[in-house]
Amino acid sequence: EAQVTQNPRYLITVTGKKLTVTCSQNMNHEYMSWYRQDPGLGLRQIYYSMNVEVTDKGDVPEGYKVSRKEKRNFPLILESPSPNQTSLYFCASSLRAGMNSPLHFGNGTRLTVT
Amino acid sequence: RKEVEQDPGPFNVPEGATVAFNCTYSNSASQSFFWYRQDCRKEPKLLMSVYSSGNEDGRFTAQLNRASQYISLLIRDSKLSDSATYLCAVNIRPMRFGAGTRLTVKP
Repeated sequence: EAQVTQNPRYLITVTGKKLTVTCSQNMNHEYMSWYRQDPGLGLRQIYYSMNVEVTDKGDVPEGYKVSRKEKRNFPLILESPSPNQTSLYFCASSLRAGMNSPLHFGNGTRLTVT
Repeated sequence: RKEVEQDPGPFNVPEGATVAFNCTYSNSASQSFFWYRQDCRKEPKLLMSVYSSGNEDGRFTAQLNRASQYISLLIRDSKLSDSATYLCAVNIRPMRFGAGTRLTVKP
């Protein structure tokens, strides 16, 4: 089944404890992206990747890191999480970064930082 | 001004009603448009792309008005199962989403 898989689904952590949220897609998509979703603010892009070894900042990259060493994987790293990073996170991918490629989303990671 | 704006609703309609949502975008260079559906606490799922000439998928019709820079989604014969939040998306690199319009269909 074609899908984007994120793990974990739920994560509760404490301020400053490094964490990684994994994202993997099996559709051979070139483009991958991370979003966070907060009430009233909608989906905001954190980082994106046009292809392997090519990553770039989105609208809200502060406090996050990503890597794209393989086409299928795009982990999101929080080196020192803070409470304002409590949010619902979605990984998404599309065939390419071109205009007519819709995004396919993972099922989300709900992160709470205390 | 936000790049993509939607009326947040909520829209509360009876079963069988016709309901329409609009979404405005600010970047006239935008080339591709989509509607997504999001159920509570779940991932957005692609509902339909929006084509220049307008397009229909069953009870759903999407239209694009480039001159006025908005897209619309029309749902006919609403079902209880249509209750969700509907997000419009505009691909202006990166893909930008509206904050969503919440629809509740009641018996």
